[in-house]
Amino acid sequence: DQQVKQNSPSLSVQEGRISILNCDYTNSMFDYFLWYKKYPAEGPTFLISISSIKDKNEDGRFTVFLNKSAKHLSLHIVPSQPGDSAVYFCAAKAGGTSYGKLTFGQGTILTVHP
Amino acid sequence: DGGITQSPKYLFRKEGQNVTLSCEQNLNHDAMYWYRQDPGQGLRLIYYSQIVNDFQKGDIAEGYSVSREKKESFPLTVTSAQKNPTAFYLCASSVEQATNEKLFFGSGTQLSVL
Repeated sequence: DQQVKQNSPSLSVQEGRISILNCDYTNSMFDYFLWYKKYPAEGPTFLISISSIKDKNEDGRFTVFLNKSAKHLSLHIVPSQPGDSAVYFCAAKAGGTSYGKLTFGQGTILTVHP
Repeated sequence: DGGITQSPKYLFRKEGQNVTLSCEQNLNHDAMYWYRQDPGQGLRLIYYSQIVNDFQKGDIAEGYSVSREKKESFPLTVTSAQKNPTAFYLCASSVEQATNEKLFFGSGTQLSVL
C-alpha cells in the first residue's frame, strides 16, 4: 500500500521556466512533509520541508505548497536551472512516530534543458 | 568534512552468503537508519537506531540484521534469508530534535546477486 505517491515518473522543463513536481498521500496522520533531491551515485539531500500547520513554505527558488484537504503537496522550482536535473523524492512523517521514520514516494526524474 | 561514509560502493553476494554493508558517520548524530531503494519505488526503512546498543525494525526488516555498538557506526548485514537482496542501500542519520526530521544520507551501496 503506497501511502505516498508521485504519479509522474519524469518531468522535462526548459531552463528558466517553472518546474512543478507533485505528490499525493493517503495517510491523514502525516503532519510533516519533506522534499529530497538525488543526483546519480549520490545519496539524497534535503531540499525543503513543510509542517501541516502551514500551506506554503519558500526557500529561494523552491516553494512547497500543501493542500491538506486534497492530501496533496507540490514543489515549485522557479526559475528552473540545468543543475536542478535530478530525482526528487517527497517524504512524509506521521505525528507521534519516531522521527526519521519517513515514508517516501517513488521519485520523479526532473530534466531541465538549456 | 562531516558526513556519512558508506562502503563498499558496489557489492556482490553469492547464493547463501551473508554480506555486511558499512556505515560510518562523524556528524555526532544520535539516530541512524538503513533504507532500501528498488527501481520505481520509494525508499523503504529496514532498521533504525536512536541510541547506542538499541535498534528497532522498520517496515522491511526480514532477512536483515544490524548492530549499534558505537555511536558512529551502524553496519547492516544482509543474510541468506533475504531472498531478493538486489537493491540500492542507503544509510542515513539525524539529530535528536523534536521538529527537525531532516535526514543526512550516505552515497549508497549497490548490492547485486551473482
